[in-house]
Amino acid sequence: IQLTQSPSFLSASVGDRVTITCRANEGITSYLAWYQQNPGKAPKLLIYAASTLQSGVPSRFSGSGSGTEFTLAISSLQPEDSATYYCQQVNSFPYSFGQGTKLEIK
Amino acid sequence: EVQLVESGGGLVPPGGSLRLSCAASGFTFRSYSMNWVRQAPGRGLEWVSYISASTRTIHYADSVKGRFTISRDNAENSLYLQMNSLRAEDTAVYYCATGRFFDAFDIWGQGTLVTVSS
Repeated sequence: IQLTQSPSFLSASVGDRVTITCRANEGITSYLAWYQQNPGKAPKLLIYAASTLQSGVPSRFSGSGSGTEFTLAISSLQPEDSATYYCQQVNSFPYSFGQGTKLEIK
Repeated sequence: EVQLVESGGGLVPPGGSLRLSCAASGFTFRSYSMNWVRQAPGRGLEWVSYISASTRTIHYADSVKGRFTISRDNAENSLYLQMNSLRAEDTAVYYCATGRFFDAFDIWGQGTLVTVSS
């Protein structure tokens, strides 16, 4: 299953609301996760099952969607949100990741 | 503290072999499936392999099938990746990760760098 994220690069200001889209080339029900990765660090799970916020993740992060189209939204951007974000499908093997979206805070 | 710690990375020539290890602590390792994920320098994440809690189910990415072997020792709380016939394109940071919530990877190790070069 191929996952396509858009955009690949995003620049926004502190306080903005941004959305990242992940599209699958076939249906994956709700078996989609979102991760945040900072340079030199392991990815961090933000959202699982498409819309469930992982414990400890700020509530400004939210996920939605099912089937083939999913969205990660970040409301009220903070400086620490500068990172690369990946979606991942765990509906069927081989598991796959999107190509990533690099978020820059202006 | 819930933790995964990888080891075993290093420099290996093309065609060589390497065995990665991942030590788990702070959670019931034997109850959860485990995965290896890699990230080539400057590139995105690539899922490599999966092993179920019981070891009955194993999957590999096409890019490593026939060359890599995943295994685990539940008594030792350890996960392994035997990598043979290594190629330059296998150069990456290798992470172990476990999927405890709808199979999403909630715990990751810090990664171990594998460099395949002569």
